[in-house]
Amino acid sequence: KAGVTQTPRYLIKTRGQQVTLSCSPISGHRSVSWYQQTPGQGLQFLFEYFSETQRNKGNFPGRFSGRQFSNSRSEMNVSTLELGDSALYLCASSLRTGSAEQYFGPGTRLTVT
Amino acid sequence: GQQVMQIPQYQHVQEGEDFTTYCNSSTTLSNIQWYKQRPGGHPVFLIQLVKSGEVKKQKRLTFQFGEAKKNSSLHITATQTTDVGTYFCAGRGSHGGSNYKLTFGKGTLLTVNP
Repeated sequence: KAGVTQTPRYLIKTRGQQVTLSCSPISGHRSVSWYQQTPGQGLQFLFEYFSETQRNKGNFPGRFSGRQFSNSRSEMNVSTLELGDSALYLCASSLRTGSAEQYFGPGTRLTVT
Repeated sequence: GQQVMQIPQYQHVQEGEDFTTYCNSSTTLSNIQWYKQRPGGHPVFLIQLVKSGEVKKQKRLTFQFGEAKKNSSLHITATQTTDVGTYFCAGRGSHGGSNYKLTFGKGTLLTVNP
């Protein structure tokens, strides 16, 4: 079974731009969560989607948004990028919200200059 | 909001020594999960604990969930170089509450000297 895939793997953007990251969950998984990982703050929860509905949301500004499609694929968007948005963005899929384990993708490394 | 504290931040051991990382939550958890992230890699699920006082073992790894369901520990016996990585705990709050999301500790980076 193929794992979680994320595209692109690396991205360089400038301040003020916007970016869209994509995540394809494991086949059959309907829940997708997004995390931001930085050396200083660790892994921080952004949001979780299940059946195209946002089920939980972390403490991030409204510039961070996401959505999930009917095939469970998910995208997250960051508008008006700031230098502090530079991070590894990880997507994790699971069978359902609140499920036992989450399977993480390789992440998208975003650098904002 | 819910906070999950993890200590120590770093741990360096000689191969063969034991290692323990501790996790404490500011609120009662419905369950706690443990993940391992190798350098340059992504977090990989290790285990989930659900019951108060639960103890689970995976070969040299022993996981415990506190009686009050607010703390947990991971103990590795006789570390090997393959154990190198960052170990994260992640706690999930009560079902349906605002803390139901998975909150990660900042992790313990384990390095092993061969």
